[in-house]
Amino acid sequence: AQSVTQLGSHVSVSEGALVLLRCNYSSSVPPYLFWYVQYPNQGLQLLLKYTSAATLVKGINGFEAEFKKSETSFHLTKPSAHMSDAAEYFCAVRGRGSNYKLTFGKGTLLTVNP
Amino acid sequence: DGGITQSPKYLFRKEGQNVTLSCEQNLNHDAMYWYRQDPGQGLRLIYYSQIVNDFQKGDIAEGYSVSREKKESFPLTVTSAQKNPTAFYLCASSIAANEKLFFGSGTQLSVL
Repeated sequence: AQSVTQLGSHVSVSEGALVLLRCNYSSSVPPYLFWYVQYPNQGLQLLLKYTSAATLVKGINGFEAEFKKSETSFHLTKPSAHMSDAAEYFCAVRGRGSNYKLTFGKGTLLTVNP
Repeated sequence: DGGITQSPKYLFRKEGQNVTLSCEQNLNHDAMYWYRQDPGQGLRLIYYSQIVNDFQKGDIAEGYSVSREKKESFPLTVTSAQKNPTAFYLCASSIAANEKLFFGSGTQLSVL
């Protein structure tokens, strides 16, 4: 069965610092991978997705993630944090084929300090 | 504007009562999903539907029921068998398996 593990339930950075949110996946075949962001009391929005094209995926708001098969990782990064990046971030995995089931990690809460 | 509408925003359930959460989409998406969100637990899949008149159990389907009689609607009923229903419920839809999910703004369910 597919799954994702997000390392660190809470990450705190200073404004302007590098953001690194970690995600490792488990899947029997190369999966589809996603990062979503959730602002308080709202639904989730897609930041970026990996579907087997380029291993470095660029998303919205300056975020990017790199798919590393050897490390089964899909970490999310942003070179310089902004106060508006404070939110909860979820990594998600979906298997190949016609499987519609998307499995989410437990989330990482990002706080940005001035 | 296209999107997903969940209602109500807040819902209270009494002991032994069934309650139904509404989810409507006008995106013409085939697939729809229900997730439950608890603090520190991420999102857990309750039910999903790939097409009208068909749905599958997710990871935590016990105590819940759904129907998919119309493409645009996927209501979730929280039955009295669900002993811990207090949570934030999110409905989503997607056009295809590898495409992104569009989420509604959620329903907060609490027990009186």
